[in-house]
Amino acid sequence: EAGVAQSPRYKIIEKRQSVAFWCNPISGHATLYWYQQILGQGPKLLIQFQNNGVVDDSQLPKDRFSAERLKGVDSTLKIQPAKLEDSAVYLCASSSDGYEQYFGPGTRLTVT
Amino acid sequence: ELKVEQNPLFLSMQEGKNYTIYCNYSTTSDRLYWYRQDPGKSLESLFVLLSNGAVKQEGRLMASLDTKARLSTLHITAAVHDLSATYFCAVVRGNEKLTFGTGTRLTIIP
Repeated sequence: EAGVAQSPRYKIIEKRQSVAFWCNPISGHATLYWYQQILGQGPKLLIQFQNNGVVDDSQLPKDRFSAERLKGVDSTLKIQPAKLEDSAVYLCASSSDGYEQYFGPGTRLTVT
Repeated sequence: ELKVEQNPLFLSMQEGKNYTIYCNYSTTSDRLYWYRQDPGKSLESLFVLLSNGAVKQEGRLMASLDTKARLSTLHITAAVHDLSATYFCAVVRGNEKLTFGTGTRLTIIP
């Protein structure tokens, strides 16, 4: 069974530029999560989707971050404009039952 | 707000020794997870603990849960180099989000 796929794996941008990350969850998993992991810290949930609906986006900085999961499968996370403090690894995870989450390899973002 | 604390944050230990990582959380929870993360890699689930007194073991790792003390431990027996990684605990309460601890970076020295 294929795991959670993410791209790109690495991205370097200048502050005030925009960037987008893509996630393809495990087939059949209805729930999709985006996490931000700053160096030296544990992951922090940004947004949770159930199919194509948002369940929790309470920690998503909505003035600059947006996410969508239009067909209930793939998802994109966008940052516009990026700030230096957005440098982090962005992890996507999926779950079929909300009990066990399976994490992708992550996208490492560096904002200069 | 649910808070999760781990200690120590950094741990260097010699091969063959035993040690314990501690995870404290601030309010009652329904499930506690332990994850492993290798440098530059994603998170790998190790254990899920559901009830008071739960104990799970896999190889040289053993996790336990004391819900009354709001404490979980991850015990490492006779450490080997392959166990070098960062270990996270994470807690879920009801349908709320998974809240992670700060992580413990474990280095096993030959």
